[in-house]
Amino acid sequence: DTGVSQNPRHKITKRGQNVTFRCDPISEHNRLYWYRQTLGQGPEFLTYFQNEAQLEKSRLLSDRFSAERPKGSFSTLEIQRTEQGDSAMYLCASSLLETQYFGPGTRLTVL
Amino acid sequence: DAKTTQPNSMESNEEEPVHLPCNHSTISGTDYIHWYRQLPSQGPEYVIHGLTSNVNNRMASLAIAEDRKSSTLILHRATLRDAAVYYCILRLPNEKLTFGTGTRLTIIP
Repeated sequence: DTGVSQNPRHKITKRGQNVTFRCDPISEHNRLYWYRQTLGQGPEFLTYFQNEAQLEKSRLLSDRFSAERPKGSFSTLEIQRTEQGDSAMYLCASSLLETQYFGPGTRLTVL
Repeated sequence: DAKTTQPNSMESNEEEPVHLPCNHSTISGTDYIHWYRQLPSQGPEYVIHGLTSNVNNRMASLAIAEDRKSSTLILHRATLRDAAVYYCILRLPNEKLTFGTGTRLTIIP
């Protein structure tokens, strides 16, 4: 399967801990997006990379959130000092042209 | 971002056609109309997109009003696997997707 993969699929953590998620995009896709989805809502945009450059960040992305895409390949999203409000599904998508291809997401639960 | 309006939910019988409406009265001339769907416990999946002309692909058809202020996603023969939340999104080329709350489609066997 050459689709977008995300790891881990599920993460349970205690409030105040740091967590890191990984996204492996479809090979040769130069654009990579992170979204967050809470129950009953559509996904919300967090940030976007073109190759290794982070070109846009939502104001939802507080200073506790950081994303990287070294060498324009996989990407990581780190949340420091997690809060209960960070509990959500974190989705990654990649694209080469117009269509975005989504991964299965990482479900974060903060206790 | 231009907004879209969709019904919260719709039901359809299995093997019948389904017409999912979307209103976007503030659409700009450069906005593309995209449809994605999200099956339970999965990430969103691309369905179809268009600018002005009606579009067809193996999954669905997209009918766009002449004034572009509304569009309709058409599933020609719904199956149980089409039960999902369908999102209508206006998007400039290569921009991020701005999702609303979509239409939850229920297929009745």
